[in-house]
Amino acid sequence: TQLLEQSPQFLSIQEGENLTVYCNSSSVFSSLQWYRQEPGEGPVLLVTVVTGGEVKKLKRLTFQFGDARKDSSLHITAAQPGDTGLYLCAGVKGGGADGLTFGKGTHLIIQP
Amino acid sequence: AAGVIQSPRHLIKEKRETATLKCYPIPRHDTVYWYQQGPGQDPQFLISFYEKMQSDKGSIPDRFSAQQFSDYHSELNMSSLELGDSALYFCASSREGLGYNEQFFGPGTRLTVL
Repeated sequence: TQLLEQSPQFLSIQEGENLTVYCNSSSVFSSLQWYRQEPGEGPVLLVTVVTGGEVKKLKRLTFQFGDARKDSSLHITAAQPGDTGLYLCAGVKGGGADGLTFGKGTHLIIQP
Repeated sequence: AAGVIQSPRHLIKEKRETATLKCYPIPRHDTVYWYQQGPGQDPQFLISFYEKMQSDKGSIPDRFSAQQFSDYHSELNMSSLELGDSALYFCASSREGLGYNEQFFGPGTRLTVL
């Protein structure tokens, strides 16, 4: 059973469109991180959300942490071909040096 | 900015052989994590170390062991390799008290077991 459910698993849209990726769980997380991963490379940290209801913006990317700290979303405005990649959400239940629990990821393709 | 360094980047081994993967964390980071990512899978947490002590343990097989040294680098030792151990192995590092367990990943070691 996957602790973090991501949806959609695959998404292919045209350049300029908007999209939202969801990361849901029945568990509460102390923090949740979003990563982007290219094939054969390590995940690159995009953002960390900690407080319930928190919203963070990174250029055209908007990240939100649910009020109950069980879910999160990533919204991309005016998607560009450079946004193509695998987006992973990952949660931490405790603190300190606890390992991350990853979702299965969303494969995003932005067509020019 | 300096990143996490992993070596080797690629490794080919035969079944039942042993392998050692090395990880050098970002300078001043005191915590290291090991993850295994199979083809088309999400990264699975194996084990973590803080200040040379094992901190958290995930789905690490008994055939694997790891340690963190006084200079904070870490090594993952894998014995009796099986075909199913073929995967990308990532090391990540963080600094206790800096952020909220924000982990920065290395480029990975691709292990192929023949």
